[in-house]
Order: sequence, then structure tokens, then C-alpha cells
Amino acid sequence: NAGVMQNPRHLVRRRGQEARLRCSPVKGHSHVYWYRQLPEEGLKFMVYLQKENIIDESGMPKERFSAEFPKEGPSILRIQQVVRGDSAAYFCASSPRWDPEITEAFFGQGTRLTVV
Amino acid sequence: AQKVTQAQTEISVVEKEDVTLDCVYETRDTTYYLFWYKQPPSGELVFLIRRNSFDEQNEISGRYSWNFQKSTSSFNFTITASQVVDSAVYFCALSDDNDYKLSFGAGTTVTVRA
Repeated sequence: NAGVMQNPRHLVRRRGQEARLRCSPVKGHSHVYWYRQLPEEGLKFMVYLQKENIIDESGMPKERFSAEFPKEGPSILRIQQVVRGDSAAYFCASSPRWDPEITEAFFGQGTRLTVV
Repeated sequence: AQKVTQAQTEISVVEKEDVTLDCVYETRDTTYYLFWYKQPPSGELVFLIRRNSFDEQNEISGRYSWNFQKSTSSFNFTITASQVVDSAVYFCALSDDNDYKLSFGAGTTVTVRA
């Protein structure tokens, strides 16, 4: 009964490198949401994807950030040419569909990105 | 626009004391959902409760209780007889009926000392 799996748990990148964060949703869930938690702050919505589609990327920075959720495999959040300000915890959540009556989106354990 | 305010940044208590975390929200919708999450030092987000705007009944779950007051737009959380394991950051969050996005407060760090 696996929940949302994120890997890696911790990721260190040098400035200018690329970071790839992976999220495997709960089995059967086709909706994925990415959130970012900057130090000392609450989580902020980044992007909402369904299989092979980006539904809402209003919270994503316009440059360097991209997300995908292919037909097969995990959802990937990709950050190109990382800068120190990208250091944060990135959380993924999944749900079987969007429906406010379902309990809650299930969150993964997060990936903590440190840019040095 | 949605907004969640957790005015308390940090709270420190001694074990067995009660602690109440405040959450005040803003929304224009009449249907919305309120949540509390716990983030222990290990970092994961643990779901605690979801409450919809039409259910103002207070809830108790073990040592946890929630007080939802629509008149003051508040959804406060109380831990009774706190324990060291309750030490964590607690987040209040809000989603509107027509929006899948959760708006989180900045969180309240609770430290329970033995």
C-alpha cells in the first residue's frame, strides 16, 4: 500500500546544474500536484498535471522550471541552471481525480534541494 | 483571493500543557475546505483533518481538537496534554470548492519540552 513516493529525498546541486525531482503517485492516481516550501514558509502551489497534460502551471516560475507527467513513469519536476534561491523542499501530492469531497491529496515525503 | 494566516510563528510548552494554534482564513467562496497538516522534524506532511465550510461542528480526535468558527473565519487547533512527539510545524490550509490548489499558512512551530 505504497503512498506517494518522491526521490531523491535529498539532492545537492551546484549552481548552474540541472535538478530532476521524481514523484510516483499512489497507484491508480492520475492527478499530480507539485508544491514548493521555501525555508521558514508554508507550501506554495506550483503545478497541477494529469497524465500527459499540464492543467495549471500558474505557480511555476516562467523560466528554468518545467514539469511533466508521462503516460508511463513518474512525474518529473525539472529545474535547469539552478540558483541558490531554488533551495527548498519540493512536495508532490496525488489524487485519483480532482474532487473536493475526497479526503485529501496524499503528499509525498518531499525532496530537499540544496544548491551550493 | 484565498489567504491563510497563522499569526503564531513559534510556541514552546512544557509536556502536559495544552497548546492552541490559531488559523484565520479569507475566502470569497461560500463552499470551501480547511485542513491541518503536521510536519515533524523528519519533514513529511501528515494529514490531520479536513473540514468543509458547511460543517461547523467541532471535532475531537484523541488529544487533538478543532474549533471551526465561521463568524470569525477561524479554524483553531488544540493539542491537549502535549507530548514531546507533538513537536512539529503545523500548517493550516484552505481550498475553495472550485479550486484544487491548497493555500497554506506559514506554519506554527510547536516545541514541547520534557
